[in-house]
Amino acid sequence: EAGVTQFPSHSVIEKGQTVTLRCDPISGHDNLYWYRRVMGKEIKFLLHFVKESKQDESGMPNNRFLAERTGGTYSTLKVQPAELEDSGVYFCASSQVGALGNTIYFGEGSWLTVV
Amino acid sequence: AQSVAQPEDQVNVAEGNPLTVKCTYSVSGNPYLFWYVQYPNRGLQFLLKYITGDNLVKGSYGFEAEFNKSQTSFHLKKPSALVSDSALYFCAVRDMWSGAGSYQLTFGKGTKLSVIP
Repeated sequence: EAGVTQFPSHSVIEKGQTVTLRCDPISGHDNLYWYRRVMGKEIKFLLHFVKESKQDESGMPNNRFLAERTGGTYSTLKVQPAELEDSGVYFCASSQVGALGNTIYFGEGSWLTVV
Repeated sequence: AQSVAQPEDQVNVAEGNPLTVKCTYSVSGNPYLFWYVQYPNRGLQFLLKYITGDNLVKGSYGFEAEFNKSQTSFHLKKPSALVSDSALYFCAVRDMWSGAGSYQLTFGKGTKLSVIP
């Protein structure tokens, strides 16, 4: 069974440009999350989808970040325009709905460098 | 608010020796606790979790963790370290409270484990 898949794995863009990250969750997982780790700091929650609905987007840093999950399958996270402080690794994760104790499985991450 | 502390930035241990990576947590209610490992330039891999039941939880690659409610700790352990265990280890917590935001995992800063041959 495929795990959480993220694309691209690495991206280098200039300040002011736009980047779109894609995440394909594990099949059958209606919960989808985005996290990020910037500059060696803690891994921080960004937002949570249940199917196509945004359940919690309290961690989104500002309106330069836009996440979508049309159709409740894959998700995209767009950063527009990118700033230097956005550099870091963006993790997507998924889990089954139901109990809060369900395991959250993470992808390999999308490593973003803004220059 | 929930929080996690990993007091050691780095842990060095000789191959074959037991290892411990420390984690303490703070939540309003009862915790769900997780350990993840990140190998260099890789994603987060799930190791084990505590939900309820036995305080000693066994996970992948021979790792185990002990939940201690009185000390609010969830230390990761392995009886005999391997060089291949060298990686970054993250402890995470989720509060059982079912209000908004309860699906968020809060992570510690991570502990770099180096196993010396």
